[in-house]
Amino acid sequence: SAVISQKPSRDICQRGTSLTIQCQVDSQVTMMFWYRQQPGQSLTLIATANQGSEATYESGFVIDKFPISRPNLTFSTLTVSNMSPEDSSIYLCSVGVRMWGEQYFGPGTRLTVT
Amino acid sequence: AQTVTQSQPEMSVQEAETVTLSCTYDTSENNYYLFWYKQPPSRQMILVIRQEAYKQQNATENRFSVNFQKAAKSFSLKISDSQLGDTAMYFCASRNTGTASKLTFGTGTRLQVTL
Repeated sequence: SAVISQKPSRDICQRGTSLTIQCQVDSQVTMMFWYRQQPGQSLTLIATANQGSEATYESGFVIDKFPISRPNLTFSTLTVSNMSPEDSSIYLCSVGVRMWGEQYFGPGTRLTVT
Repeated sequence: AQTVTQSQPEMSVQEAETVTLSCTYDTSENNYYLFWYKQPPSRQMILVIRQEAYKQQNATENRFSVNFQKAAKSFSLKISDSQLGDTAMYFCASRNTGTASKLTFGTGTRLQVTL
């Protein structure tokens, strides 16, 4: 398994501003993922962030809105840009474990946009 | 594309009883992984149990076990001796074996364990 931390754990932001969420892993991992979980909903994959390559975004998510950095094998950031109340969600990062295929998740960042 | 369906939005079970959460999935692949994740109110996603599709034996982790029916594409989770700490959202998920494959989640089942 992997131990994953996220910062901040929660934030309240004004519309039109941006927030950068950090994800730190206690071991080197190739695959990192960013998810959004809207209130009462399941998880939706935003993008896959592999070190050494540009992030791959899912349908409905674009780099201008959700820029991602992956500078090394233990760290990634997700920025939520030009926020609106519709961006109020929990944002989770996860890492992939190649052998078994499962992913381990960070504790999430609860974002509220007012 | 994979789809995962959880038809029970909410369930309730008394402490010490057994409950089964349903999950069906659809995939064109022959080999894949299946998972159950638990999300308590703390919102931390916790891996409960995993199953590789090529293994016929059902996975078991302490009080948690699965009933994997590959032909029926069914993957139910049984929780025995339910405890108050089992109260959470439970998500069924699937993933193909390719390294670029993604986890596909169901919509979740909210489980309430009562006294």
